[in-house]
Amino acid sequence: KAGVTQTPRYLIKTRGQQVTLSCSPISGHRSVSWYQQTPGQGLQFLFEYFSETQRNKGNFPGRFSGRQFSNSRSEMNVSTLELGDSALYLCASSLTSGGPTDTQYFGPGTRLTVL
Amino acid sequence: SQQGEEDPQALSIQEGENATMNCSYKTSINNLQWYRQNSGRGLVHLILIRSNEREKHSGRLRVTLDTSKKSSSLLITASRAADTASYFCATGILQGGSEKLVFGKGTKLTVNP
Repeated sequence: KAGVTQTPRYLIKTRGQQVTLSCSPISGHRSVSWYQQTPGQGLQFLFEYFSETQRNKGNFPGRFSGRQFSNSRSEMNVSTLELGDSALYLCASSLTSGGPTDTQYFGPGTRLTVL
Repeated sequence: SQQGEEDPQALSIQEGENATMNCSYKTSINNLQWYRQNSGRGLVHLILIRSNEREKHSGRLRVTLDTSKKSSSLLITASRAADTASYFCATGILQGGSEKLVFGKGTKLTVNP
């Protein structure tokens, strides 16, 4: 089976812009979670989607949003970008309905740089 | 403060030696997981141990969990240069009505050939 894929792999944006990142989970996985990784804050949970519904969320502002499609593919959107949003954004999928606390299969990440 | 904190932050050993990393956490957990990350890439799941388990093995990996001390350890035996990576513990918790996986800051392991 193909692993979790994320596109694009690298992205450069300027402050105030918005960005959309895409994630395709492993075939058959219905839970998709998003994480932000920065040197200062480490890995932080953004939110989790299951069956097209946001089921769990972390402590991020409303500028961070996401959605999931009927084929389980997921997108994450960040509006009004700030310098502090520069990070590696990781998507992870899991097989069971347990969601974000089950074994996570991670994609390679999207490296976002905000100038 | 971090839910999960690894110790040490960095570890450098010779090939063939054992590497031990520790993780402490603060709140009750559903499970505890260990992941590996090679420089700037995605994470790879290593092992999951449930809150009612005390020890688990997978190949050269051994994980222990002590819920009374809120701590876990990851032992890598007979290390190889390819084990060079950052290792993270992650605790599965319920917080504010949401389930989430909370990661520590990681231990950077260097295995010298």
